[in-house]
Amino acid sequence: KNQVEQSPQSLIILEGKNCTLQCNYTVSPFSNLRWYKQDTGRGPVSLTIMTFSENTKSNGRYTATLDADTKQSSLHITASQLSDSASYICVVSPPYGQNFVFGPGTRLSVLP
Amino acid sequence: GAGVSQSPRYKVTKRGQDVALRCDPISGHVSLYWYRQALGQGPEFLTYFNYEAQQDKSGLPNDRFSAERPEGSISTLTIQRTEQRDSAMYRCASSPPGAYEQYFGPGTRLTVT
Repeated sequence: KNQVEQSPQSLIILEGKNCTLQCNYTVSPFSNLRWYKQDTGRGPVSLTIMTFSENTKSNGRYTATLDADTKQSSLHITASQLSDSASYICVVSPPYGQNFVFGPGTRLSVLP
Repeated sequence: GAGVSQSPRYKVTKRGQDVALRCDPISGHVSLYWYRQALGQGPEFLTYFNYEAQQDKSGLPNDRFSAERPEGSISTLTIQRTEQRDSAMYRCASSPPGAYEQYFGPGTRLTVT
């Protein structure tokens, strides 16, 4: 069964610090991997999208990496801000159809 | 411009009743997706459409769930004979032609009592 796992489940950091969120998946083959940010009560908003041939993708203070050999991805957040407090969800898409497989998310809290 | 809209935003229904959830995608977006999200979990794929054609409904949990998009625009997700386990946030997303990006609506919070 295609699965996506994320760690840690939750994370608390101080404003200004960096952090890295992990995503492991068993979806194979896959077409693309994306990271979403979901604020409480809002729909997920895409941060980065990487195809299987890409190793890294940046979006401002967010940098995603992908290792297709080990089936791992990470999302690194630099110089965190209070507004970064949200759930971060890793989503992997198989190449056929559009049945995206969502991870459970990592809940990030940034404290002043 | 206007984003994806969903109605109602909140729905409370009694077990055994049928409910219909509506999604208005962004104009021009050909793909439309339905997800279900339990509290504290990531969204779970239910089904998706390209224009009016239902391309993948493998995520629908059972035959009480159905979706349609008869004119390739507005979509309705119908749950028949609701059960308490159907309580969740139901989210709709749309995407333009040839794009990976999905734009999500605010969701409908369904509570079955």
